Amino acid sequence: GDSVTQMEGPVTLSEEAFLTINCTYTATGYPSLFWYVQYPGEGLQLLLKATKADDKGSNKGFEATYRKETTSFHLEKGSVQVSDSAVYFCALSYSGGGADGLTFGKGTHLIIQP
Amino acid sequence: DSGVTQTPKHLITATGQRVTLRCSPRSGDLSVYWYQQSLDQGLQFLIQYYNGEERAKGNILERFSAQQFPDLHSELNLSSLELGDSALYFCASSPGDRVSYGYTFGSGTRLTVV
Repeated sequence: GDSVTQMEGPVTLSEEAFLTINCTYTATGYPSLFWYVQYPGEGLQLLLKATKADDKGSNKGFEATYRKETTSFHLEKGSVQVSDSAVYFCALSYSGGGADGLTFGKGTHLIIQP
Repeated sequence: DSGVTQTPKHLITATGQRVTLRCSPRSGDLSVYWYQQSLDQGLQFLIQYYNGEERAKGNILERFSAQQFPDLHSELNLSSLELGDSALYFCASSPGDRVSYGYTFGSGTRLTVV
């Protein structure tokens, strides 16, 4: 079945460091890919998405590029802030066929130290 | 405030009991999705309703059921509760029936079974 694999962490960085959170997926067909962020005590918020190969999603300084050849959707940010501390989830869905839910990775806990 | 309202925020109940979790989607959204988040299983898709009809089923146990009412709010019913059902239950909504539109999540109901 479909699956998403991401580094679980915790990942600890200093403020202004460069961030990469790796995400790879296994799926048949051509899924849409998403990054969600969960702040403590809150629900998940959509951070960015890409619906086809080579698309780049971006939001709030975060970027991720849909790489079909490596089945990856790595999340990057050039300079992280303490406020970026949260759990980040990579997810996939199908854009074709019947309606379906999202398949999530286990989440990566990011801690940014001042 | 995401616009998706879940009640109650916390629920503590005993094994063997039955509970009902409630979700009001964001205004204008027709789809409601239910997810379970636990430490060992991560985020698991349970079920989707679109405009009152069941649209997709994920890893939902037979002891669990859901429905969406004419005013589009949804309820998730959990019966014969077991300790392992303790988890965060999230509701999400979207405008259409395709997950690629993007979800809006509520802040969740934390269920503790003792």
